[in-house]
This record gives sequence, C-alpha cells and structure tokens, in this order.
Amino acid sequence: AQSVAQPEDQVNVAEGNPLTVKCTYSVSGNPYLFWYVQYPNRGLQFLLKYITGDNLVKGSYGFEAEFNKSQTSFHLKKPSALVSDSALYFCAAINTNAGKSTFGDGTTLTVKP
Amino acid sequence: DAGVIQSPRHEVTEMGQEVTLRCKPISGHNSLFWYRQTMMRGLELLIYFNNNVPIDDSGMPEDRFSAKMPNASFSTLKIQPSEPRDSAVYFCASSSGTGGRYEQFFGPGTRLTVL
Repeated sequence: AQSVAQPEDQVNVAEGNPLTVKCTYSVSGNPYLFWYVQYPNRGLQFLLKYITGDNLVKGSYGFEAEFNKSQTSFHLKKPSALVSDSALYFCAAINTNAGKSTFGDGTTLTVKP
Repeated sequence: DAGVIQSPRHEVTEMGQEVTLRCKPISGHNSLFWYRQTMMRGLELLIYFNNNVPIDDSGMPEDRFSAKMPNASFSTLKIQPSEPRDSAVYFCASSSGTGGRYEQFFGPGTRLTVL
C-alpha cells in the first residue's frame, strides 16, 4: 500500500525567511509526486509535480520542491516566504498503475510579518 | 476553461433528507474524484471514476452514499438518508490521467450541514 507522510502539522516562519515543508512517501515503482495548496474556504490548488528528470522542480508562486529518491522525500521549499503563502499544504503521490493519488494529512504554514 | 464546477456551494438540510451534490469536470479530463474534508478526518477519497466507470469506491463510508457518472461531463454524489455526521466539505476533482498529467484540479467544494 502506498502512503505519504507530512511529519509536521504546523510550520511557522518569518516573512522573508526561507521555508521548507517536509514530505516523505512510500510508493512502489517510480512515483509521480505533487504539492497542492489550500487557502481558506477554497479547493486544493495544484502547485507543482515531479515525474522524472531534474530532482529540483519549480512551480507556481516561486515554490520549488526537491526530489530525493534515496530518502524517499519530496520537500517543498521557497527561498523567501510571504505572508500570503500562509495556507494548508498537501503532498501527494501516485503510482500510475494504481490510478489514484494518496495525500498526506497536510501541513499548515503560517508566515508572520 | 471554467475549471471544475460544483453545485450547490452550500447545502443545509435536516437529518433524514436526501442530498445530491453535482460536479462538472474539466472538459477532456478522463478521471473524476469525490473527496470529503473535515477537521477530524482530514481529506478522504470517497470514490473515483475513470472514463465514467467507477474504479474504486472503497472510501464510500456506507450504503447511504452513492455516486454516478452518466457521462463525461457530469457526476453526482447522493446521500440518502443524511445524518449530522455527514456534515463536511465535499470536493470534486478531475485529472487528465494520460500523458503524465495526473495532477488533479479541484472544484470550490460544497459545504454540507446536516442538522
């Protein structure tokens, strides 16, 4: 069975500082990995994905994620956080043979001015 | 593209009533997903369809829940009879499901309150 873990329920950073939201996965074969963001009272919004190739993936709003196969991790990063980045972030993985994504429990990011 | 469309956006009903939630996926997408989100249980996958066929309904909580996808542009999630513990935000999402495009696009959700 596939699983996704986000070990931190909450991450707090100061505006202008770098941020990292952690994700590890357990998926057989070569997974596709995703990050989504959810703002209050909204649906989840796709940020970026890793399929293959370069381990550093760039996405929307200045976010990027680093794929590490040996550590089975896919951490979300941003060099300089904004207050408007405050939201709930979900990591997800899919084994394309299974057809459905498995989501982590989410991490609440709070960026303070 | 208008994105995934869900209706109604809010639904308040009384215990025992039938509730029908509606979803229009993004045109051309082959996969459709229904999720439920609550503070207690987080985001749960209820059912997903591929090419209008239900593939995995293991997340459907019980027989009171049913979902249909009569064509590529419409799906419904029905709860009959509804109970207070069904109160949640229900999301519909769709994805291409081909060519490496497995990212899902979510609708705005239906906030269901069962009194």
